[in-house]
Amino acid sequence: DTAVSQTPKYLVTQMGNDKSIKCEQNLGHDTMYWYKQDSKKFLKIMFSYNNKELIINETVPNRFSPKSPDKAHLNLHINSLELGDSAVYFCASSQAALAGGGTDTQYFGPGTRLTVL
Amino acid sequence: AQSVTQPDIHITVSEGASLELRCNYSYGATPYLFWYVQSPGQGLQLLLKYFSGDTLVQGIKGFEAEFKRSQSSFNLRKPSVHWSDAAEYFCAVGAKYGNKLVFGAGTILRVKS
Repeated sequence: DTAVSQTPKYLVTQMGNDKSIKCEQNLGHDTMYWYKQDSKKFLKIMFSYNNKELIINETVPNRFSPKSPDKAHLNLHINSLELGDSAVYFCASSQAALAGGGTDTQYFGPGTRLTVL
Repeated sequence: AQSVTQPDIHITVSEGASLELRCNYSYGATPYLFWYVQSPGQGLQLLLKYFSGDTLVQGIKGFEAEFKRSQSSFNLRKPSVHWSDAAEYFCAVGAKYGNKLVFGAGTILRVKS
């Protein structure tokens, strides 16, 4: 069974369109994340949700809106797509923050390659 | 704020040779350190992690890493590289509070036969 899955794997679209990427985890984790990996392979966190509540929002344009219907799902909606949004988007999940503090291990999905034309 | 530096963008080693990938971090408290590997077109797979205790940690696929606080380093090593190890390797640091991971820019490993 896939632990963290994303759909679609590839997404090609025109500038100005609105698109969504879905993420699901079956690990029973409380926390989920979205990362963006740009063309230079630099990986940067965008959002984090803990049990459906937003806990990290890293200065991402408000065209990007995460939605968590339940703690096993974290979807990413992108409005008015721009050329610069072309990247690979990774979903990840982890347990909630460790009891004594600390960053728990994050498990990543296979990524969604978004190409904006 | 946390930051991670991986000084080597590309490294090429011969199959069977030893490997060391460098990682330096900047963080004001005890860091939580990770190495991930990304094969072409794939997601990130955790190789190993350091939270506390023994500073030499063992991971999957024969990899190990050593945490050296005095050098702010967490270098990844493997005694004998296999062709299947060719991939991109990312070092990451996490904070004591919150689950935010900050990644280095990655090191691409090429293995020549």
